[in-house]
Amino acid sequence: GENVEQHPSTLSVQEGDSAVIKCTYSDSASNYFPWYKQELGKRPQLIIDIRSNVGEKKDQRIAVTLNKTAKHFSLHITETQPEDSAVYFCAASRRTGNQFYFGTGTSLTVIP
Amino acid sequence: GAVVSQHPSRVICKSGTSVKIECRSLDFQATTMFWYRQFPKQSLMLMATSNEGSKATYEQGVEKDKFLINHASLTLSTLTVTSAHPEDSSFYICSARNGSNYGYTFGSGTRLTVV
Repeated sequence: GENVEQHPSTLSVQEGDSAVIKCTYSDSASNYFPWYKQELGKRPQLIIDIRSNVGEKKDQRIAVTLNKTAKHFSLHITETQPEDSAVYFCAASRRTGNQFYFGTGTSLTVIP
Repeated sequence: GAVVSQHPSRVICKSGTSVKIECRSLDFQATTMFWYRQFPKQSLMLMATSNEGSKATYEQGVEKDKFLINHASLTLSTLTVTSAHPEDSSFYICSARNGSNYGYTFGSGTRLTVV
């Protein structure tokens, strides 16, 4: 099965700085990599995703990069704001209809 | 669009009783739904894949006789925690593919406390 590792487990940054979260995966057949943001007691919310035929994707302050050869992908948040504080999960999945395997999560704190 | 409703949001039950959690896709049909468990400050652990009209597929280490899954229609999957114990206390959350190639929508989760 798929094994997704995520680092760091906790991350504190000053408001306005950048935050980077990294994940590795084991299953070379995985080809879809979403990132979720979860606030305490709430459902995960998709913030960005990337497919294996793309190396980088950006959406305003959020970007994701993928290195299929090395089997790792990263989330980049620029100009962080206090409302970015949450737990972020990466995930990996095979093709359509398949289940996700989540990373262990990163608790991000943005200090005003 | 693509809303998944999950009920109840919170439930407290006594040890030894059973609890049913419902997961409904409100505006789309979901042939496959997924059930996750999340302990405090931990990740979402996939428990099982629920398939409409057929038996669920359970992840290794998940007791299928304890966590009964029924997916009787294209919009409803249920998870029943049988003979609940305090160690079953957790946040249970479902997700369903929302019709797009890769998109999934999560339910709002159920906080189960077994006393």
